[in-house]
Amino acid sequence: DVKVTQSSRYLVKRTGEKVFLECVQDMDHENMFWYRQDPGLGLRLIYFSYDVKMKEKGDIPEGYSVSREKKERFSLILESASTNQTSMYLCASSPSRTGAMLRYTFGSGTRLTVV
Amino acid sequence: GIQVEQSPPDLILQEGANSTLRCNFSDSVNNLQWFHQNPWGQLINLFYIPSGTKQNGRLSATTVATERYSLLYISSSQTTDSGVYFCAVLSGNTGKLIFGQGTTLQVKP
Repeated sequence: DVKVTQSSRYLVKRTGEKVFLECVQDMDHENMFWYRQDPGLGLRLIYFSYDVKMKEKGDIPEGYSVSREKKERFSLILESASTNQTSMYLCASSPSRTGAMLRYTFGSGTRLTVV
Repeated sequence: GIQVEQSPPDLILQEGANSTLRCNFSDSVNNLQWFHQNPWGQLINLFYIPSGTKQNGRLSATTVATERYSLLYISSSQTTDSGVYFCAVLSGNTGKLIFGQGTTLQVKP
């Protein structure tokens, strides 16, 4: 089975800190995604990547950046953490962009609290 | 962009009861998936079902693409079925899944 590993389960950071959330997948998937989940809003896409050193903005990229230096690793960066970025962050990977091969596998999530 | 709406937002069942969750979407899709998020936050892919009907144990799903809706059936519910159920559809050929807001299910013993 594909495994998607997020480096931290729970994280508490201070306002203004630079925060790195790491995600690693072990099945050579091309596509990786970062979502945030908030009550009543479902999952919203922050950034995604189809290949190494490639990134695309999702629906809510403001305040975030990403890095994909290696195929298996996709990092989400909060440049200057703010309290409205307190959320559950979910990483996913998929072997394909289309059709039946587009099957997301999610990590277990990082619950970030910014104080 | 595509809009995805799920109903009901919340559902409480007694163990053993059956339920139907609904997902409506605003445009034609070629990829629709159902996910279950357990109380610890892990999202598990339940079904890939762009059309037709599939069954997996006590769970089954039906998508009527021409009418732009999908249904998830849970029969003989168990406490382990508790959590949030999400429907997600593919936006074009970008590989981006658009998620609904979810249905929160609580199954009481």
